Amino acid sequence: AQSVSQHNHHVILSEAASLELGCNYSYGGTVNLFWYVQYPGQHLQLLLKYFSGDPLVKGIKGFEAEFIKSKFSFNLRKPSVQWSDTAEYFCAVNRGNYNTDKLIFGTGTRLQVFP
Amino acid sequence: DAMVIQNPRYQVTQFGKPVTLSCSQTLNHNVMYWYQQKSSQAPKLLFHYYDKDFNNEADTPDNFQSRRPNTSFCFLDIRSPGLGDAAMYLCATSGGLAGGTSTDTQYFGPGTRLTVL
Repeated sequence: AQSVSQHNHHVILSEAASLELGCNYSYGGTVNLFWYVQYPGQHLQLLLKYFSGDPLVKGIKGFEAEFIKSKFSFNLRKPSVQWSDTAEYFCAVNRGNYNTDKLIFGTGTRLQVFP
Repeated sequence: DAMVIQNPRYQVTQFGKPVTLSCSQTLNHNVMYWYQQKSSQAPKLLFHYYDKDFNNEADTPDNFQSRRPNTSFCFLDIRSPGLGDAAMYLCATSGGLAGGTSTDTQYFGPGTRLTVL
């Protein structure tokens, strides 16, 4: 069965610090990879996604993620975080080449950014 | 703005008393999903509709049912809620009217937090 691991459960940073959140998945076939973000009091929304092409994907608000197939990883990065990045971040994966396929989510990483 | 709306945002029910959660969308999406998210856990898919086709996850308890009377609305029925069913329930949609693919972004509603007394 597919699974997604996010090893950082809670990350605390100061503004302007660099961020990297880890995400590893277990599925040997073609995958689609997603990062969703949930700001306090808001719904889950897409940050970025990868399904083909350049393995370095750029998303909204200066975030990017790199798909490394050999490591089954899709880590999220941002060179300089802001207080407004305080949120919960979820990595998710589904199988490629399907009409529709359920998302398997990681347990999330709570990011707190202090001014 | 086009969106996914869930009502109510907070629902309190008694042990064993049936409850219905609702989801509506103005995105004209073909696919609608229901996820359950317990505290500090990942959202877990219960079932989804691909147009009118209902797809149940193998480990979704029989206690959970769903209805989709039209494109815009989808309901989650919990026939006899137990204490273990207390959770956040998330509705999501994806895909255009003509279909969808697994690369589609899923758009989430704000969720309904269910408390079981």
